[in-house]
Amino acid sequence: GAGVSQTPSNKVTEKGKYVELRCDPISGHTALYWYRQSLGQGPEFLIYFQGTGAADDSGLPNDRFFAVRPEGSVSTLKIQRTERGDSAVYLCASSSSLVDTQYFGPGTRLTVL
Amino acid sequence: SQQGEEDPQALSIQEGENATMNCSYKTSINNLQWYRQNSGRGLVHLILIRSNEREKHSGRLRVTLDTSKKSSSLLITASRAADTASYFCATDRGAGNMLTFGGGTRLMVKP
Repeated sequence: GAGVSQTPSNKVTEKGKYVELRCDPISGHTALYWYRQSLGQGPEFLIYFQGTGAADDSGLPNDRFFAVRPEGSVSTLKIQRTERGDSAVYLCASSSSLVDTQYFGPGTRLTVL
Repeated sequence: SQQGEEDPQALSIQEGENATMNCSYKTSINNLQWYRQNSGRGLVHLILIRSNEREKHSGRLRVTLDTSKKSSSLLITASRAADTASYFCATDRGAGNMLTFGGGTRLMVKP
């Protein structure tokens, strides 16, 4: 079956611009997670959804970052006024429940010039 | 911040040899998972071991967990060039099962 998909695969933007990153989880998965991975490091948790609501957004670095999941399926990570330090690979994962394996998408590589 | 620490940070071996990677963590866990990542993109889930388990096998992979030492190891037997990748351990935290990753071990298997 289809795995987690993320679009775009690569995004290059200029400092100060607004970007949206999209995640399509595995069908039927209720839990959805966003992580960010900087070069040479492991992924770091940003936010997770259980259904439509953001259950924990404690990993979001500041209020320029926001994510939504309005219908409990697709999620969008939104970054306002991008900074060069936001450059990273943004990974999305989904799982069928809070105790099951998280399956990751291929990631979106964001480059802020 | 990252909870786990992988050791070694980099490992280079010949095809056919075994590769062992270690992971240490700081707080109590429910589960520990190992993932593989090629070329800095998506992570592939390898194996999940629960806190009440001590050892688990999957094909050429063997994972051990010692909760008293807060450590885990991943053994890849009879390695292949295709095993070349970065390997991460991840522990869950919080009611939402958010994963905390270590910095990874970069494994190179030479043909």
